[in-house]
Amino acid sequence: ETGVTQSPTHLIKTRGQQVTLRCSSQSGHNTVSWYQQALGQGPQFIFQYYREEENGRGNFPPRFSGLQFPNYSSELNVNALELDDSALYLCASSFGGNPALAKNIQYFGAGTRLSVL
Amino acid sequence: DQQVKQNSPSLSVQEGRISILNCDYTNSMFDYFLWYKKYPAEGPTFLISISSIKDKNEDGRFTVFLNKSAKHLSLHIVPSQPGDSAVYFCAASGLQGAQKLVFGQGTRLTINP
Repeated sequence: ETGVTQSPTHLIKTRGQQVTLRCSSQSGHNTVSWYQQALGQGPQFIFQYYREEENGRGNFPPRFSGLQFPNYSSELNVNALELDDSALYLCASSFGGNPALAKNIQYFGAGTRLSVL
Repeated sequence: DQQVKQNSPSLSVQEGRISILNCDYTNSMFDYFLWYKKYPAEGPTFLISISSIKDKNEDGRFTVFLNKSAKHLSLHIVPSQPGDSAVYFCAASGLQGAQKLVFGQGTRLTINP
């Protein structure tokens, strides 16, 4: 059973550019959540995808967008990068039969460290 | 608005002793709580969880206690081992479904030999 994998591990971009981060879910999981972790802070929820549909969004602007594919892998896209977007981006997968009710454990990848210069 | 708070940024404990990590929350709609451990350059690893219908859950050396009236939970590690040195995050869910996790800021635990 493979765990959650994220790519790339590190990325350097300049302000105004666009970036795509990728995540492969743990085998058997159908739900992917993305979190942003700033230095010295806990992870903050960006959004979640369940069966290819967005299923909840945190307090992030529309330039943060995502996709989930039929194999349950996922992408996080950020447009018009700002300096404050520099952070560790974490992907977590889980199995959600009914996301509104399930309290399933989320399993995290190692993250992508994004630096915006 | 920090809905989940870990007020101790760091904690140092001697090997073999008990480590107690604390977490407070403000929203009574949270009904499920989790603890994650994070080593450098790795993602958070799930440790233990507790539902709001319980006040205690135990798994080996790890025990989580929940005090709903005080909106407080704690993680006890007994006995503490050097490999327990890591950053510990508490997280809560239950708002708006969707398994959204709300994390505290983390506590860095150092176990001294």
